[in-house]
Amino acid sequence: QQQVKQSPQSLIVQKGGISIINCAYENTAFDYFPWYQQFPGKGPALLIAIRPDVSEKKEGRFTISFNKSAKQFSLHIMDSQPGDSATYFCAAALVGGADGLTFGKGTHLIIQP
Amino acid sequence: KAGVTQTPRYLIKTRGQQVTLSCSPISGHRSVSWYQQTPGQGLQFLFEYFSETQRNKGNFPGRFSGRQFSNSRSEMNVSTLELGDSALYLCASSSAGSLYNEQFFGPGTRLTVL
Repeated sequence: QQQVKQSPQSLIVQKGGISIINCAYENTAFDYFPWYQQFPGKGPALLIAIRPDVSEKKEGRFTISFNKSAKQFSLHIMDSQPGDSATYFCAAALVGGADGLTFGKGTHLIIQP
Repeated sequence: KAGVTQTPRYLIKTRGQQVTLSCSPISGHRSVSWYQQTPGQGLQFLFEYFSETQRNKGNFPGRFSGRQFSNSRSEMNVSTLELGDSALYLCASSSAGSLYNEQFFGPGTRLTVL
């Protein structure tokens, strides 16, 4: 299965700071890149998603930056809050393909008050 | 609207047994996907059903199987359980079956194999 590499594994950010999580993918055919947020005891929930025809997408405090030539995309959380403390997963998919969502290994984010 | 529900939430089995997990999608959703989540491998795609047909399958052995009923509810079955099958099994539903449509995940079933 095609890989999606996510870094860092864990991240500690001060309240009000910017949290940055990076992902790199291999399959240039991927055409959908969502980010999921997971709290303990819950399933992942879609946070924001991007398609490769745009380089950036912003929703509130959350921004995806996408670099097609480098095969990388990242999640920026502005003005990070303690309630943002969770595990974040990037994913990629070939929408017409047969492999579902391919997930990164996750980043455990802690926002210190 | 009620979210995706999965039953049971927790399950303990022994090696060699089989297990059946159930997923009820959001009302009106016709696509159900299953994922396995482990600390080592992360989230891995198992299979996807749409209108009672398996459309896609991930790279898992044949011991993992599933089905979808006419009301879109889905079950997955794991036969001849192995210790490595211990994981959180997540079900996700979406409305039209395209990955562009948001996948809504349930809380998962935590399976422990002893």
